[in-house]
Amino acid sequence: LAKTTQPISMDSYEGQEVNITCSHNNIATNDYITWYQQFPSQGPRFIIQGYKTKVTNEVASLFIPADRKSSTLSLPRVSLSDTAVYYCSASSGSARQLTFGSGTQLTVLP
Amino acid sequence: EPEVTQTPSHQVTQMGQEVILRCVPISNHLYFYWYRQILGQKVEFLVSFYNNEISEKSEIFDDQFSVERPDGSNFTLKIRSTKLEDSAMYFCASSYQDSGNTIYFGEGSWLTVV
Repeated sequence: LAKTTQPISMDSYEGQEVNITCSHNNIATNDYITWYQQFPSQGPRFIIQGYKTKVTNEVASLFIPADRKSSTLSLPRVSLSDTAVYYCSASSGSARQLTFGSGTQLTVLP
Repeated sequence: EPEVTQTPSHQVTQMGQEVILRCVPISNHLYFYWYRQILGQKVEFLVSFYNNEISEKSEIFDDQFSVERPDGSNFTLKIRSTKLEDSAMYFCASSYQDSGNTIYFGEGSWLTVV
């Protein structure tokens, strides 16, 4: 299981694009990169998952460079309701032991 | 959107008592998990379950913990003799596949041991 490192916290303003970078230097060949969002007293919620290059869905984009040692979650035009903890995980092909690091507390300010 | 449901949402129990936390995974999912999160700390993996048996467990999942799928829909976590340090939010999760697939989490059961 690859160890991940993320900033502890980030602040942003409503309407801005937010980019949260995660480093996973010892990522394995068959690891996927997955991002989750967690609100207080709620379960983590899947945001996006990718293996390489770029993935986009209706919520976010995920950029993964060729060496896969880092990834960037991009949230376009954040709102106050995007205030949450965001977790990056680089898991092996098996999802059995999804690991969560300390996460990044994103605070969106009005 | 299908979801994982958990009951109870909050339970207070005395130290030494047995607790059963219940979960209904998403209906066509085959893999089931329990995680826990102590207040202010990381989400920690406890156990995974597939084909009616434990697939993997962490060092946290000691002999006082057990899991069961008593019927086709429920998945339970039992803590035999609760300790103060078992106080945490317990999340049930499920997934369809095991390999790189999305895991869906429930809203959690908050356990307070007094």
